[in-house]
Amino acid sequence: ETGVTQSPTHLIKTRGQQVTLRCSSQSGHNTVSWYQQALGQGPQFIFQYYREEENGRGNFPPRFSGLQFPNYSSELNVNALELDDSALYLCASSLQMNTEAFFGQGTRLTVV
Amino acid sequence: ELKVEQNPLFLSMQEGKNYTIYCNYSTTSDRLYWYRQDPGKSLESLFVLLSNGAVKQEGRLMASLDTKARLSTLHITAAVHDLSATYFCAVDIIAGGGADGLTFGKGTHLIIQP
Repeated sequence: ETGVTQSPTHLIKTRGQQVTLRCSSQSGHNTVSWYQQALGQGPQFIFQYYREEENGRGNFPPRFSGLQFPNYSSELNVNALELDDSALYLCASSLQMNTEAFFGQGTRLTVV
Repeated sequence: ELKVEQNPLFLSMQEGKNYTIYCNYSTTSDRLYWYRQDPGKSLESLFVLLSNGAVKQEGRLMASLDTKARLSTLHITAAVHDLSATYFCAVDIIAGGGADGLTFGKGTHLIIQP
Protein backbone atom coordinates (compact mmCIF):
# COMPACT_ATOMS: atom_id res chain seq x y z
CA GLU A 1 0.00 0.00 0.00
CA THR A 2 1.39 3.38 -1.01
CA GLY A 3 -1.09 5.57 0.90
CA VAL A 4 -2.22 7.17 -2.36
CA THR A 5 -5.89 6.60 -3.14
CA GLN A 6 -7.85 7.40 -6.27
CA SER A 7 -11.55 7.60 -6.99
CA PRO A 8 -13.51 6.31 -8.68
CA THR A 9 -11.84 3.03 -9.64
CA HIS A 10 -13.87 2.67 -12.83
CA LEU A 11 -15.84 5.16 -14.89
CA ILE A 12 -17.74 5.10 -18.17
CA LYS A 13 -18.41 8.36 -20.00
CA THR A 14 -19.81 9.38 -23.35
CA ARG A 15 -17.75 11.16 -25.99
CA GLY A 16 -17.98 14.94 -25.54
CA GLN A 17 -18.66 14.78 -21.82
CA GLN A 18 -16.42 16.09 -19.05
CA VAL A 19 -14.90 14.00 -16.26
CA THR A 20 -13.18 14.67 -12.93
CA LEU A 21 -10.86 12.12 -11.37
CA ARG A 22 -9.69 12.47 -7.79
CA CYS A 23 -6.55 11.58 -5.89
CA SER A 24 -5.66 11.71 -2.23
CA SER A 25 -1.92 11.92 -1.66
CA GLN A 26 0.08 10.74 1.30
CA SER A 27 -0.01 13.25 4.13
CA GLY A 28 2.82 15.73 3.79
CA HIS A 29 3.37 15.05 0.08
CA ASN A 30 3.21 18.42 -1.64
CA THR A 31 3.83 17.17 -5.18
CA VAL A 32 1.38 15.22 -7.30
CA SER A 33 1.77 13.97 -10.86
CA TRP A 34 -0.80 12.48 -13.20
CA TYR A 35 -0.16 9.85 -15.87
CA GLN A 36 -2.24 8.33 -18.65
CA GLN A 37 -1.68 4.67 -19.49
CA ALA A 38 -3.32 3.38 -22.64
CA LEU A 39 -3.85 -0.34 -22.96
CA GLY A 40 -0.59 -2.15 -23.61
CA GLN A 41 1.52 0.99 -23.25
CA GLY A 42 3.71 2.58 -20.61
CA PRO A 43 2.32 5.49 -18.58
CA GLN A 44 2.68 8.96 -20.11
CA PHE A 45 3.21 12.08 -18.03
CA ILE A 46 0.29 14.52 -18.14
CA PHE A 47 1.33 17.18 -15.62
CA GLN A 48 2.68 17.82 -12.16
CA TYR A 49 1.47 20.10 -9.40
CA TYR A 50 3.65 21.47 -6.63
CA ARG A 51 2.12 23.46 -3.80
CA GLU A 52 -1.09 23.95 -5.76
CA GLU A 53 0.53 25.24 -8.94
CA GLU A 54 1.25 23.41 -12.19
CA ASN A 55 5.01 23.21 -12.62
CA GLY A 56 5.41 20.83 -15.52
CA ARG A 57 3.33 19.42 -18.35
CA GLY A 58 3.66 16.64 -20.88
CA ASN A 59 2.36 16.56 -24.42
CA PHE A 60 -1.34 16.78 -23.60
CA PRO A 61 -3.87 19.37 -24.88
CA PRO A 62 -5.35 22.09 -22.64
CA ARG A 63 -8.59 20.16 -22.21
CA PHE A 64 -6.60 18.17 -19.65
CA SER A 65 -6.40 20.34 -16.55
CA GLY A 66 -5.81 19.86 -12.87
CA LEU A 67 -6.11 21.23 -9.41
CA GLN A 68 -4.23 20.56 -6.20
CA PHE A 69 -5.66 21.45 -2.79
CA PRO A 70 -3.99 22.24 0.54
CA ASN A 71 -5.36 19.03 2.09
CA TYR A 72 -3.13 16.86 -0.17
CA SER A 73 -5.95 16.03 -2.55
CA SER A 74 -5.96 16.74 -6.26
CA GLU A 75 -8.12 16.46 -9.36
CA LEU A 76 -7.63 15.71 -13.01
CA ASN A 77 -10.28 17.21 -15.27
CA VAL A 78 -10.77 16.24 -18.88
CA ASN A 79 -13.17 18.19 -21.10
CA ALA A 80 -14.69 17.19 -24.41
CA LEU A 81 -13.84 13.53 -23.97
CA GLU A 82 -12.62 11.60 -26.98
CA LEU A 83 -12.59 7.86 -27.53
CA ASP A 84 -8.77 7.88 -27.32
CA ASP A 85 -9.00 9.22 -23.77
CA SER A 86 -9.98 5.71 -22.68
CA ALA A 87 -7.12 4.63 -20.42
CA LEU A 88 -5.93 3.96 -16.88
CA TYR A 89 -5.21 7.27 -15.15
CA LEU A 90 -2.62 7.14 -12.40
CA CYS A 91 -1.72 9.74 -9.85
CA ALA A 92 1.56 9.70 -8.01
CA SER A 93 2.55 11.73 -4.98
CA SER A 94 5.98 12.78 -3.77
CA LEU A 95 7.25 14.31 -0.58
CA GLN A 96 8.96 17.04 -2.56
CA MET A 97 9.64 17.76 -6.22
CA ASN A 98 12.23 15.40 -7.66
CA THR A 99 11.80 12.73 -4.99
CA GLU A 100 10.44 9.24 -5.43
CA ALA A 101 6.81 9.08 -6.52
CA PHE A 102 4.26 6.65 -5.06
CA PHE A 103 1.42 5.58 -7.32
CA GLY A 104 -2.24 5.16 -6.56
CA GLN A 105 -4.28 2.22 -7.80
CA GLY A 106 -5.58 4.15 -10.80
CA THR A 107 -8.92 5.05 -12.35
CA ARG A 108 -10.00 3.10 -15.43
CA LEU A 109 -11.83 5.51 -17.74
CA THR A 110 -13.81 4.19 -20.68
CA VAL A 111 -15.20 6.64 -23.24
CA VAL A 112 -17.97 5.31 -25.46
CA GLU B 1 13.57 14.35 -26.14
CA LEU B 2 14.26 11.58 -23.66
CA LYS B 3 13.54 8.10 -25.01
CA VAL B 4 13.45 4.88 -23.04
CA GLU B 5 13.59 1.53 -24.82
CA GLN B 6 13.03 -1.84 -23.24
CA ASN B 7 13.70 -5.21 -24.70
CA PRO B 8 12.35 -7.67 -25.08
CA LEU B 9 8.76 -6.41 -25.08
CA PHE B 10 7.43 -9.90 -24.61
CA LEU B 11 9.08 -12.82 -22.87
CA SER B 12 7.82 -16.31 -22.22
CA MET B 13 10.05 -18.45 -20.08
CA GLN B 14 9.96 -21.58 -17.98
CA GLU B 15 10.15 -21.77 -14.25
CA GLY B 16 13.66 -22.22 -12.95
CA LYS B 17 15.33 -20.37 -15.82
CA ASN B 18 17.31 -17.12 -15.69
CA TYR B 19 16.74 -14.14 -17.90
CA THR B 20 17.55 -10.43 -18.25
CA ILE B 21 15.41 -7.48 -19.31
CA TYR B 22 17.26 -4.50 -20.77
CA CYS B 23 16.44 -0.81 -20.54
CA ASN B 24 18.27 1.79 -22.62
CA TYR B 25 17.72 5.52 -22.33
CA SER B 26 18.82 8.33 -24.58
CA THR B 27 20.11 11.12 -22.32
CA THR B 28 21.80 11.54 -18.99
CA SER B 29 19.42 10.59 -16.21
CA ASP B 30 19.29 11.36 -12.52
CA ARG B 31 17.36 8.29 -11.45
CA LEU B 32 16.15 5.02 -12.90
CA TYR B 33 13.19 3.06 -11.59
CA TRP B 34 11.87 -0.43 -12.13
CA TYR B 35 8.17 -1.10 -11.61
CA ARG B 36 5.99 -4.16 -11.73
CA GLN B 37 2.41 -4.04 -12.94
CA ASP B 38 -0.12 -6.87 -12.68
CA PRO B 39 -3.07 -6.88 -15.12
CA GLY B 40 -5.52 -4.06 -14.35
CA LYS B 41 -3.47 -2.91 -11.38
CA SER B 42 -1.26 0.03 -10.55
CA LEU B 43 2.52 0.24 -10.50
CA GLU B 44 4.49 -1.40 -7.73
CA SER B 45 7.92 0.11 -7.16
CA LEU B 46 10.70 -2.51 -7.26
CA PHE B 47 13.96 -0.59 -7.36
CA VAL B 48 15.34 2.93 -7.48
CA LEU B 49 18.85 3.23 -8.90
CA LEU B 50 20.68 6.47 -8.31
CA SER B 51 24.29 6.14 -9.34
CA ASN B 52 26.61 4.44 -11.78
CA GLY B 53 27.31 0.87 -10.80
CA ALA B 54 24.33 0.68 -8.46
CA VAL B 55 23.08 -2.84 -7.90
CA LYS B 56 20.02 -3.77 -5.89
CA GLN B 57 18.52 -7.17 -5.19
CA GLU B 58 15.19 -8.30 -3.81
CA GLY B 59 14.46 -12.00 -3.83
CA ARG B 60 14.87 -13.39 -7.33
CA LEU B 61 15.17 -9.94 -8.93
CA MET B 62 18.36 -7.93 -9.29
CA ALA B 63 18.67 -4.54 -10.98
CA SER B 64 21.80 -2.73 -12.06
CA LEU B 65 22.66 0.61 -13.62
CA ASP B 66 25.45 1.65 -15.98
CA THR B 67 25.09 5.39 -16.51
CA LYS B 68 27.96 5.56 -18.98
CA ALA B 69 26.25 3.06 -21.27
CA ARG B 70 22.82 4.49 -20.34
CA LEU B 71 21.72 0.96 -19.63
CA SER B 72 19.90 -0.75 -16.81
CA THR B 73 19.19 -4.45 -16.50
CA LEU B 74 16.64 -6.40 -14.49
CA HIS B 75 17.84 -9.96 -13.95
CA ILE B 76 15.51 -12.75 -12.96
CA THR B 77 17.05 -15.76 -11.26
CA ALA B 78 15.31 -19.15 -11.15
CA ALA B 79 11.99 -17.70 -12.26
CA VAL B 80 8.76 -18.70 -10.55
CA HIS B 81 5.19 -18.31 -11.83
CA ASP B 82 4.41 -15.51 -9.34
CA LEU B 83 6.85 -13.24 -11.18
CA SER B 84 4.58 -13.19 -14.24
CA ALA B 85 3.71 -9.51 -14.79
CA THR B 86 4.63 -6.51 -16.91
CA TYR B 87 7.85 -4.79 -15.91
CA PHE B 88 8.54 -1.16 -16.69
CA CYS B 89 11.68 0.89 -16.41
CA ALA B 90 11.31 4.65 -16.03
CA VAL B 91 13.80 7.47 -16.09
CA ASP B 92 13.72 10.75 -14.22
CA ILE B 93 15.53 13.95 -15.08
CA ILE B 94 15.73 16.76 -12.58
CA ALA B 95 15.17 19.77 -14.78
CA GLY B 96 16.46 23.17 -13.85
CA GLY B 97 12.93 24.50 -13.70
CA GLY B 98 9.63 22.73 -13.94
CA ALA B 99 9.11 19.02 -14.08
CA ASP B 100 9.13 16.55 -16.93
CA GLY B 101 7.83 13.60 -14.95
CA LEU B 102 8.94 10.05 -15.41
CA THR B 103 9.54 8.73 -18.92
CA PHE B 104 8.56 5.09 -19.16
CA GLY B 105 9.56 2.31 -21.50
CA LYS B 106 6.84 0.32 -23.24
CA GLY B 107 7.13 -2.47 -20.73
CA THR B 108 8.19 -6.11 -20.87
CA HIS B 109 5.30 -8.54 -20.65
CA LEU B 110 6.71 -11.56 -18.82
CA ILE B 111 4.99 -14.93 -18.70
CA ILE B 112 6.55 -17.70 -16.64
CA GLN B 113 5.22 -21.14 -17.38
CA PRO B 114 5.45 -24.18 -15.13
